[in-house]
Amino acid sequence: AQSVSQHNHHVILSEAASLELGCNYSYGGTVNLFWYVQYPGQHLQLLLKYFSGDPLVKGIKGFEAEFIKSKFSFNLRKPSVQWSDTAEYFCAVNGIGLNDMRFGAGTRLTVKP
Amino acid sequence: DTAVSQTPKYLVTQMGNDKSIKCEQNLGHDTMYWYKQDSKKFLKIMFSYNNKELIINETVPNRFSPKSPDKAHLNLHINSLELGDSAVYFCASSQGLAGGRADTQYFGPGTRLTVL
Repeated sequence: AQSVSQHNHHVILSEAASLELGCNYSYGGTVNLFWYVQYPGQHLQLLLKYFSGDPLVKGIKGFEAEFIKSKFSFNLRKPSVQWSDTAEYFCAVNGIGLNDMRFGAGTRLTVKP
Repeated sequence: DTAVSQTPKYLVTQMGNDKSIKCEQNLGHDTMYWYKQDSKKFLKIMFSYNNKELIINETVPNRFSPKSPDKAHLNLHINSLELGDSAVYFCASSQGLAGGRADTQYFGPGTRLTVL
């Protein structure tokens, strides 16, 4: 069965530190990949997505992610985090159909000022 | 201007009751979804629906039923509420893509359901 793993449950960083959140999926076919962010008390918003083409994807707010097909990974990165990046981050994978959407368990990021 | 809206935002009710949550999108998308987010923030898809097909996640109890009066609305009806139904329910919409996949999903603000 398709699954999505986010390695870190809770990450705590100081402002200006670099960020990398891991995401691995298990699915044998072609997938669409997403990172969503949920700020405290708000709904999920798209950070970035990968469907095809350049495996290094740039998103909003300085985030980027790299798709490495051989590792079934889609890690999220940001070179310098800000306090306002404090949120829950979700990796998601869309497989063969509309309902075949799997979210990872989420990683809570806390950025200390 | 809200793209995906849900009502109510909070819903507190007793076990055994029947309740509905409404969802509307004004993005012109052809597909809508319902998700359940539990207390540990785990997000699980319950249904996806476009104007042709309803797809039900097999783990969703049949007490939950989506109803779509038109393309812009997908309401969620829950019968005989149980304690374990307490969660935040998110509605979302997207445009379907060729090959049957979904493009970016736009989420509503969520409905926090508490069953006492």
